[in-house]
Amino acid sequence: EAQVTQNPRYLITVTGKKLTVTCSQNMNHEYMSWYRQDPGLGLRQIYYSMNVEVTDKGDVPEGYKVSRKEKRNFPLILESPSPNQTSLYFCASNPLGRTEAFFGQGTRLTVV
Amino acid sequence: GNSVTQMEGPVTLSEEAFLTINCTYTATGYPSLFWYVQYPGEGLQLLLKATKADDKGSNKGFEATYRKETTSFHLEKGSVQVSDSAVYFCALIRYNNNDMRFGAGTRLTVKP
Repeated sequence: EAQVTQNPRYLITVTGKKLTVTCSQNMNHEYMSWYRQDPGLGLRQIYYSMNVEVTDKGDVPEGYKVSRKEKRNFPLILESPSPNQTSLYFCASNPLGRTEAFFGQGTRLTVV
Repeated sequence: GNSVTQMEGPVTLSEEAFLTINCTYTATGYPSLFWYVQYPGEGLQLLLKATKADDKGSNKGFEATYRKETTSFHLEKGSVQVSDSAVYFCALIRYNNNDMRFGAGTRLTVKP
């Protein structure tokens, strides 16, 4: 089954404690991206990757890092989480071109 | 820049009522347009799409027509059901890259 898998689904952490949210897709898509969803703001792109070893900032990259060492994986790293990073995070993948994105189930992160 | 503006919510309707959620966009070139739906506790799922002017996307009784002259992609359904209660996102992707832009989302609640 074609899918994008994120882990964990829920995470509560403390300020400053490094964490990683994993994302994996099995569709051989070149393009992967991370979004955060906040009430009234819709989805905002954090980082994206056009292919292996090619990453770039989205609209709200501050406080986040990513890596793309393999085509299928695109982890999101918060080196020093802060409460304003409390949000619902989505990973997505799509082939290059004007096609729809496939989304993971989301990760609800709370930073206290 | 590219952007999507969609009708503010929340929207509350009775079962079998007619639904319209307005969406307008700003983009250079010829974007593809999408409606995504997010059911409670889940990720975003593609509801329908249209890739060129005058295309009509349809799925599960929902429809939207790509109107280039009014830069709009309004979502409609003739008779909503309780199971349609969800958050609906309008989105676009530009023709020459994978930069996807989302509206703020509209929460729909359908009451029996």
